[in-house]
Amino acid sequence: AQSVTQLDSHVSVSEGTPVLLRCNYSSSYSPSLFWYVQHPNKGLQLLLKYTSAATLVKGINGFEAEFKKSETSFHLTKPSAHMSDAAEYFCVVGQYSSASKIIFGSGTRLSIRP
Amino acid sequence: NAGVTQTPKFQVLKTGQSMTLQCAQDMNHEYMSWYRQDPGMGLRLIHYSVGAGITDQGEVPNGYNVSRSTTEDFPLRLLSAAPSQTSVYFCASSTQGVVNSPLHFGNGTRLTVT
Repeated sequence: AQSVTQLDSHVSVSEGTPVLLRCNYSSSYSPSLFWYVQHPNKGLQLLLKYTSAATLVKGINGFEAEFKKSETSFHLTKPSAHMSDAAEYFCVVGQYSSASKIIFGSGTRLSIRP
Repeated sequence: NAGVTQTPKFQVLKTGQSMTLQCAQDMNHEYMSWYRQDPGMGLRLIHYSVGAGITDQGEVPNGYNVSRSTTEDFPLRLLSAAPSQTSVYFCASSTQGVVNSPLHFGNGTRLTVT
């Protein structure tokens, strides 16, 4: 069975400071992992994905995530927050043994203070 | 580039009414799916389809029907609306399932059942 836990429902940072959004997963097999972003009143957009090629994954808009198997984590980071990063972020886990289903985390709302 | 188009954007129904949420994609994607998004619960899969003529149930299928007569269209039918179906509904598609390729989302339909 697979599951995903986003450890913070809301994160608030100041503009220009680092962003850390935490995600832990559980998977019986080698997982695929994604981060999606949802801006207000919009659908979700892919930020980045991990599919076992490299443990450090770079995405759009300066975001990156590191796959740590020993910690079963896939935290999302960005060195310097921008006002446009304010959005909801979803960590998603899928596994190749069940090709048509993935599990979404409950989401982390990121607020940026001027 | 239209991508995934959902209509309507907003809908208010009375308990017991039926309606169809429309979803169309122009990317020739085989995989299409419907999710509902509720506060603090992430996205939950309602139904999905891996190709024309093939549909299957997701995590929360009760009260919803789907069909896939063409590659492009994947309508979601609410048979007899209930207040518990008040939610934001997202249609999403991908090239081959969800584990190997990212999902492309529509902008959502906000449904209120009174």
